[in-house]
Amino acid sequence: VSLQESGPGLVRPSETLSLTCTVSGGSVKDGSLYWSWIRQSPGGGLDWIGYVFYNGRTSYNPSFKSRVVLLVDTSKNQLSLSLSSVTAVDTAVYYCVRSAYDKYFDVWGQGARVTVSS
Amino acid sequence: DIQMTQSPSTLSASVGDRVTMICRASQNIHKWVAWYQQRPGEAPNLLINKASNLESGVPSRFSGSGSETEFTLTISSLQPDDFATYYCQQYNSSPYNFGQGTTLEVK
Repeated sequence: VSLQESGPGLVRPSETLSLTCTVSGGSVKDGSLYWSWIRQSPGGGLDWIGYVFYNGRTSYNPSFKSRVVLLVDTSKNQLSLSLSSVTAVDTAVYYCVRSAYDKYFDVWGQGARVTVSS
Repeated sequence: DIQMTQSPSTLSASVGDRVTMICRASQNIHKWVAWYQQRPGEAPNLLINKASNLESGVPSRFSGSGSETEFTLTISSLQPDDFATYYCQQYNSSPYNFGQGTTLEVK
């Protein structure tokens, strides 16, 4: 299975960051899998943002909960991330990742670099 | 939230050395820890799950141990490809936090 993130590389402050992850070689409808987003800041720190299950059930990191929406589109075999009211702190590489019930991450996308700047 | 603290932040070593890095959890996470390797410009790569289970394809020179709040990742004989940054991650409970990383550099 491979994961590929896509979306704008530049987002204005206060706007919404939107990314898509296309899953190849596997199905987002697999009920044994969870699909997460993780970001890595320029300083290197890794932050788990949240996960979405095939039926749309989500779990979010409280640090992002008020600003994030994760969705799954089973017809397109895609996942999406929306992060609202962004600031420079949200500048990062955003990864789409896979896990099973045990939430360690065994498949990672290549990452999408997003810069928040006016 | 469970905090993960790695030490040292930077580790200097030479090819052939045996190295050990530490990850401490702020509370008991049993054995629910994973280790990742990240080379510059690449995504992290899963090495170990459940503290000591080596992922398929990972060289046997990598090993993990520990339980409760203290965990170690050991590389028995460093190879040139091993110079990278290593992260631990707890999956005992949400949010699934990572340590800040240990960078393994050439001495």
